[in-house]
Amino acid sequence: EAGVTQFPSHSVIEKGQTVTLRCDPISGHDNLYWYRRVMGKEIKFLLHFVKESKQDESGMPNNRFLAERTGGTYSTLKVQPAELEDSGVYFCASSQSPYEQYFGPGTRLTVT
Amino acid sequence: GENVEQHPSTLSVQEGDSAVIKCTYSDSASNYFPWYKQELGKGPQLIIDIRSNVGEKKDQRIAVTLNKTAKHFSLHITETQPEDSAVYFCAAHHRARGTYKYIFGTGTRLKVLA
Repeated sequence: EAGVTQFPSHSVIEKGQTVTLRCDPISGHDNLYWYRRVMGKEIKFLLHFVKESKQDESGMPNNRFLAERTGGTYSTLKVQPAELEDSGVYFCASSQSPYEQYFGPGTRLTVT
Repeated sequence: GENVEQHPSTLSVQEGDSAVIKCTYSDSASNYFPWYKQELGKGPQLIIDIRSNVGEKKDQRIAVTLNKTAKHFSLHITETQPEDSAVYFCAAHHRARGTYKYIFGTGTRLKVLA
């Protein structure tokens, strides 16, 4: 069974540009989560999808971040326009139940 | 808000020794506590978890203990090996407004010295 996949693995963009991150969850997992880890700090929750519906987006930093999950399959997280403080590693996770979340390898975003 | 404190931030042990990482959580309603291991260039991997109706769980060289009264849980690794070197994260399952998420600790970088 394939795990959670994320694309790209790295992205370097300039301040003000737009970046879109993609996550493909484990097949059959209705729950999809986005997290972010800023250098040296904890992994912080951004939002939670159940199928195509946003269940909780309380962790989204501001309206420059937009997450979508079309058809309840893969998800994208767009940052527009990017700011320096958006740099970090963005993780996607999926789960079948409320527990046991499986994480992808992450996308390292660097905003210069 | 809810938070999880994790200590120590770094830990160095000799190969063969034991390692202990401790976490404290604030949400008394949390009922599930996973531990993740993150190796360089990879995502966090679930290595063991414990639910609130259990005080201890063991899987080969790894064990987790939970004290619900004190809101503490710990990861114990015995007979450490160089491949145990990684960053370890504890988390507490938090439920609010019909949704759920993990609250993570800040991570512990474990180095096992050969």
